[in-house]
Parts: sequence; structure tokens; C-alpha cells
Amino acid sequence: KQEVTQIPAALSVPEGENLVLNCSFTDSAIYNLQWFRQDPGKGLTSLLLIQSSQREQTSGRLNASLDKSSGRSTLYIAASQPGDSATYLCAVLTGANSKLTFGKGITLSVRP
Amino acid sequence: NAGVTQTPKFQVLKTGQSMTLQCAQDMNHNSMYWYRQDPGMGLRLIYYSASEGTTDKGEVPNGYNVSRLNKREFSLRLESAAPSQTSVYFCASSDRGQSNTGELFFGEGSRLTVL
Repeated sequence: KQEVTQIPAALSVPEGENLVLNCSFTDSAIYNLQWFRQDPGKGLTSLLLIQSSQREQTSGRLNASLDKSSGRSTLYIAASQPGDSATYLCAVLTGANSKLTFGKGITLSVRP
Repeated sequence: NAGVTQTPKFQVLKTGQSMTLQCAQDMNHNSMYWYRQDPGMGLRLIYYSASEGTTDKGEVPNGYNVSRLNKREFSLRLESAAPSQTSVYFCASSDRGQSNTGELFFGEGSRLTVL
């Protein structure tokens, strides 16, 4: 059974800092990995999707990497801003049954 | 760009009442999903539909039924609501199985309270 872990559960950083959010998974036979952002009281917004054959994806100040062999993904946020404050979740799509497994998320607070 | 639309956004029920959460997507996706999100539990899959006319149980299907009415619409029904079903419900869709990326798109959520 796939398990997805995101540690720590919460993170607070000063504005301008570059930061890395980690996601680990137990079954490396994944189809893709997706990072989401969730603002309080809102739905999940897709940030980046990495297919199993890819190593990384970039969008603006965000860069996500994937290392299947070690069961890890990182989301790098450059020059963090208060507007980046939100919960970040990763999810992996595994196997022929297309089961998507979510981590519990990292709640990020960027202090002005 | 409507994407995934859920109704209602908020609902309060009494124990034993029934209700249906509606979901529609306009992205021509084959796959649709219903999740619930609870503090400390994360997102858990209730039911999913890989294509029109098919539905499958997810991680926590008890107390729920679903209908894939057509390619656009996927509804979730609570036949006899219980306080344990107080949660935020999310509908999602993806193009998984259509030789595309499998990217998942979510609705804004439906906040259900069962008294």
C-alpha cells in the first residue's frame, strides 16, 4: 500500500527565503506525482505535475523534482513571499488501478 | 473557465436526513472522484469513476452512494447522514486513461455539517 509522508507538518520562514518542501513515498512504481496548494477554506489548486519519466518541472518561482528510486520529491520555492502562505500537498498516482494517495500537507507561513 | 463545479458549497443536515452533492466538469475528462478532507486525516477517496457508466469504491465508501450521470456529472449521495460524515467534500476530475497527463483538478469543496 502506497504511503505518502510530508514532514514537517508546519513551517514558518521570513520573507525572501528560498525553501524546500519534502514529500516521500513508499512505492516507487508511480505514474506521476502532483503538487497542490490549498488556501484556507478553499479547494486544491494544481501547481506542478511530474510524470514518472521526468526528473523535474518548473513554473515561475516553483521547481519540483522527482527521484523515484529514493521515493522522494521536493518542491523548491524561490524568494518566498507572504502570498505563498498556504498548505502544500503532494499526491502520487500509483499502479494500474490509478489510485491517488495524498500526503497530509505542509502548512507554510511566510512572515513579512 | 468553470473547471470543476460543486453544489452546494455549504449544507447543514440533521442526523438521518439525506442529501446529494452535485459535481460537474467541463474539461471532457473521463475520470471523476469524490474525496473527503478531515483535520489530521488528510484527503481520503470515497468513490471514483474511471469512465461514464462505471464507479468503484475508494478508501471510505461506507454510508455513501454515487452516480455517474453522464460524462460531465458525478453525484455523491448520503442516504442517512451521520455526525461522522461532517466534513469537507471535494470533487475532482482528471484525464487519466485518455493518454494524457493524469493531472487532477479540484472543485472548491462542499462543507457539510451533520448535527
